[in-house]
Amino acid sequence: SAVISQKPSRDICQRGTSLTIQCQVDSQVTMMFWYRQQPGQSLTLIATANQGSEATYESGFVIDKFPISRPNLTFSTLTVSNMSPEDSSIYLCSVAGLRTWGNEQFFGPGTRLTVL
Amino acid sequence: GEDVEQSLFLSVREGDSSVINCTYTDSSSTYLYWYKQEPGAGLQLLTYIFSNMDMKQDQRLTVLLNKKDKHLSLRIADTQTGDSAIYFCAEVGGRRALTFGSGTRLQVQP
Repeated sequence: SAVISQKPSRDICQRGTSLTIQCQVDSQVTMMFWYRQQPGQSLTLIATANQGSEATYESGFVIDKFPISRPNLTFSTLTVSNMSPEDSSIYLCSVAGLRTWGNEQFFGPGTRLTVL
Repeated sequence: GEDVEQSLFLSVREGDSSVINCTYTDSSSTYLYWYKQEPGAGLQLLTYIFSNMDMKQDQRLTVLLNKKDKHLSLRIADTQTGDSAIYFCAEVGGRRALTFGSGTRLQVQP
């Protein structure tokens, strides 16, 4: 399977600040996604990170709040902007589309964010 | 739209079989997935099944798919305490992003 790393693994931030989360994969992948998992909840898709173009956001998520970059096929960042306590969640990146994986989709270890 | 539902909790005794159920609504789903999440950890892909299959077996895991009823199940044989976790089913949409169920918390009692 792919080796996916996320930085930071956790952080505690103050209200009104921004945090950028990095996702690095050890192989070139076609698809990269960002999900949010609120405390005790399931996962919700934030956006699809598109290489070389603007991300595709799901309903309820906007670029101004969650800007995403994907400069190449192995790396993406998600920024959580102007944070409030409601943004406290685990943020996970996932990847898909490597030929040797078939249709498997793998997840990074997640970034646990607490906003005070 | 896509919607995936699971029961929230299942408790079994060690050595018994566990069956976790899932229903989905998107009949165009091509693949359905099972993930495991242990406390404080990320998601581990357990298995997935193509929608034209009825069953897939992988060691202690058996996935059954009833496409007519849009029902998916995960059976864990000889359940161990290390199997205690939250299990998520998920279906893949047109852009290959996943829609997750609410997760089923499996508690294995010694």
